Amino acid sequence: GQNIDQPTEMTATEGAIVQINCTYQTSGFNGLFWYQQHAGEAPTFLSYNVLDGLEEKGRFSSFLSRSKGYSYLLLKELQMKDSASYLCAVKGGTGFQKLVFGTGTRLLVSP
Amino acid sequence: EAQVTQNPRYLITVTGKKLTVTCSQNMNHEYMSWYRQDPGLGLRQIYYSMNVEVTDKGDVPEGYKVSRKEKRNFPLILESPSPNQTSLYFCASSPGGVRRYTFGSGTRLTVV
Repeated sequence: GQNIDQPTEMTATEGAIVQINCTYQTSGFNGLFWYQQHAGEAPTFLSYNVLDGLEEKGRFSSFLSRSKGYSYLLLKELQMKDSASYLCAVKGGTGFQKLVFGTGTRLLVSP
Repeated sequence: EAQVTQNPRYLITVTGKKLTVTCSQNMNHEYMSWYRQDPGLGLRQIYYSMNVEVTDKGDVPEGYKVSRKEKRNFPLILESPSPNQTSLYFCASSPGGVRRYTFGSGTRLTVV
């Protein structure tokens, strides 16, 4: 099966940097995804990692260590609009196509 | 525009009255999936389909049915809805492989 853990809630200040951690256990691994979700809306894709290392995309970066079952999402120069839930998801399982989500980290950015 | 379309967006129904939530994608994606989202529990997979006529159970399939007769459509059927199926439902599709999922806008279902 697959199991994903991430913190429930985090707070940060506008302009700061925040790191959201995710640890996972999975049978079969075919990539780790980060999604952003505003309340009541659909998740939107932020990044994915399939190999170890850092992937940078503007203000967002994501890191993966497959041997440690660990990833983080780094958000720089925080803006108020970054207040949202951030979902870590692992693709794996039978056929390596099953996408399982963590419960999400709610980030609150304050002025 | 490439998208996943779910209907309806909002639905209130009574216990036991069969309903179908439709999902359609125009991206020729092979992989489609249904999730439900509940406070504190996150997104949980109900069913998924790796191609036409190929479906499999996710983590919470009880009380739901799906079908994949055409590549673009993946309806979710609740034969006899119960109040514990009140939730926010999302359909998603992907080309397969290590590529992103695209989500529909969601269906908020209330069963009274």
